[in-house]
Amino acid sequence: AQTVTQSQPEMSVQEAETVTLSCTYDTSENNYYLFWYKQPPSRQMILVIRQEAYKQQNATENRFSVNFQKAAKSFSLKISDSQLGDTAMYFCAFMEYTSGTYKYIFGTGTRLKVLA
Amino acid sequence: DSGVTQTPKHLITATGQRVTLRCSPRSGDLSVYWYQQSLDQGLQFLIQYYNGEERAKGNILERFSAQQFPDLHSELNLSSLELGDSALYFCASSVEVSAETQYFGPGTRLLVL
Repeated sequence: AQTVTQSQPEMSVQEAETVTLSCTYDTSENNYYLFWYKQPPSRQMILVIRQEAYKQQNATENRFSVNFQKAAKSFSLKISDSQLGDTAMYFCAFMEYTSGTYKYIFGTGTRLKVLA
Repeated sequence: DSGVTQTPKHLITATGQRVTLRCSPRSGDLSVYWYQQSLDQGLQFLIQYYNGEERAKGNILERFSAQQFPDLHSELNLSSLELGDSALYFCASSVEVSAETQYFGPGTRLLVL
C-alpha cells in the first residue's frame, strides 16, 4: 500500500538558518508526483513545491528546494534563510495513477517553528 | 487567495444530523477534490470529481456523498453525523483530472456536538 511518512513531528530553526524536513514514501509505481504543502495557523493549504518522479533534477522555488532520491524513496524539503513567516505545518504529499484511479496520500505533517 | 471558495466557513451541528458543504472551484478548473483534516492530523483524501463525473475515491464513509454540478461547483453531504466527524473539510480544484497541482479552498470547519 502507498504510504507517506514524515518522521519529524516538530522542528525548530533559528531565523536565517537552514532547515531540512524529511519525507519518505512507498510505492510500486514508476510515475508519480510529490508535493510539499504549507499550512500556517490560518489553516490555508499552500503548495510550496512539487516534483515529478520522472525528472531527475531537484525542484526549487526561491528559498525552497527538494532533495529527491527516487531509489531511496525519499523527498526532503530544504528551507534556506528561514523566515518567521515560514512557521507552519508542512505536509508531504504523494499522487499517482494506479489500477485505473488516482491516489492522493498526505503525511502526518511536521510542525516547524522559526525562532527570532 | 487560491480562487477556490467554500461555504460555510464554520458549521456547528448535533449528532445524527445532516449537513451540506459547498465548494466553487477556480475559474476554468474542471476537477474538484474533497479532503478531511481531523484535529492535528494530516489530510485524508475523500473523493474527486472531474467535469461532473466521479474519478477517484479515497477513504470516504458511506454516510458521506458528493456530487459535482453542471456549473462545476461541488457539494459534500455528510449524514448521520458522529462526534468523530468534527474536522476541517477542504475542497481543492485543478484544471485537469490528473491534478499535478491542486489549489485549496480555505476549508469548512465542522463541529459536531
